[in-house]
Amino acid sequence: AQSVTQPDIHITVSEGASLELRCNYSYGATPYLFWYVQSPGQGLQLLLKYFSGDTLVQGIKGFEAEFKRSQSSFNLRKPSVHWSDAAEYFCAGGYSTLTFGKGTMLLVSP
Amino acid sequence: KAGVTQTPRYLIKTRGQQVTLSCSPISGHRSVSWYQQTPGQGLQFLFEYFSETQRNKGNFPGRFSGRQFSNSRSEMNVSTLELGDSALYLCASSRAFRTGPSSEQYFGPGTRLTVT
Repeated sequence: AQSVTQPDIHITVSEGASLELRCNYSYGATPYLFWYVQSPGQGLQLLLKYFSGDTLVQGIKGFEAEFKRSQSSFNLRKPSVHWSDAAEYFCAGGYSTLTFGKGTMLLVSP
Repeated sequence: KAGVTQTPRYLIKTRGQQVTLSCSPISGHRSVSWYQQTPGQGLQFLFEYFSETQRNKGNFPGRFSGRQFSNSRSEMNVSTLELGDSALYLCASSRAFRTGPSSEQYFGPGTRLTVT
């Protein structure tokens, strides 16, 4: 069965520190992969996507993600976190329908 | 370009009632998908519509149904509401094609349904 796993439920990062959120997928073939962010009471905002080609993809708000086929991973990174980045982050995979991970709640400490 | 809009934003219903939620996709997007988000189950796919036809369906009971109109606007209906139907219902649109995978999905703000 297709699945997306986010191993970390919560992560706390100091403002200005770097961030890496983990995502692993299990599909028969490489799916399209996405990262979304959700602020409280809001819908999902697309941060970045991977369809094919370059394994390092750039997104909005200074985020990037690296696709590693050998590890079935698609981790999200940001070099310097801002307090406004505190939100819940979802990794998703699929073609015409999306399978979501359970999400990682990012807390930013001053 | 206007984003995905959903109405109403908040809804309170009683067990046994039915509810209809509405979604207007981004202009030019022909695919509309619906997702249910709950704290326990996370984000789960309900169904996808393309050109007025249900193209994919998730693992939800028949009480959950939907439709899409010729202008790509979509509605979903839940009949005989149960307490467990309380959730945030999210609609997403994409510039899909008749065959092959879709492009990225853009989400609306959601409708918060509370069943009492």
